[in-house]
Amino acid sequence: DAKTTQPTSMDCAEGRAANLPCNHSTISGNEYVYWYRQIHSQGPQYIIHGLKNNETNEMASLIITEDRKSSTLILPHATLRDTAVYYCIVRVYNQGGKLIFGQGTELSVKP
Amino acid sequence: GAVVSQHPSWVICKSGTSVKIECRSLDFQATTMFWYRQFPKQSLMLMATSNEGSKATYEQGVEKDKFLINHASLTLSTLTVTSAHPEDSSFYICSARDRGGGNQPQHFGDGTRLSIL
Repeated sequence: DAKTTQPTSMDCAEGRAANLPCNHSTISGNEYVYWYRQIHSQGPQYIIHGLKNNETNEMASLIITEDRKSSTLILPHATLRDTAVYYCIVRVYNQGGKLIFGQGTELSVKP
Repeated sequence: GAVVSQHPSWVICKSGTSVKIECRSLDFQATTMFWYRQFPKQSLMLMATSNEGSKATYEQGVEKDKFLINHASLTLSTLTVTSAHPEDSSFYICSARDRGGGNQPQHFGDGTRLSIL
């Protein structure tokens, strides 16, 4: 399985952009990168995913490096409600779509 | 957006009881659903992949006779924790992926908190 490495924790000031990095140096050419977040005591919430192009939706932007060995999730204007654990996951190709969660990054947005 | 409903949200049972947890995809059909378990301050651990109309695929170390999975329709998978004991107390979370497959993301339920006394 392509593993991911994320910082254990990060802080961000409210209203500023939160940039969450993820390393996935062993990713294969057809494996997608997915980002989820989990707010305490809830199920994970899907944020965004991508293969090699940068992606943007109403929640966030995903920047994937040209060699695909790393990516950055960007929350453009973080709010207190964005405080959560953020998981970067590489979905293994041809294994039924299962996701293997790492430890994630605990993002604290502070006033 | 895609909604996955899990029921019950929390349950407290006596040791030795069997507990059933339901996972429903409300606005899409899912040939595949997944069951996870999460202990406090830990990440989600995949327990099994639930396939509609066939047997579930369990991850290494997960007892299939302890955690019975049934995926009888395209919108419903159930997890039964048989003869539950205090060490089975955990947060159980399901997810589902649209039958369209491809790179579509999984969507998660809000979890079931199981406490065995």
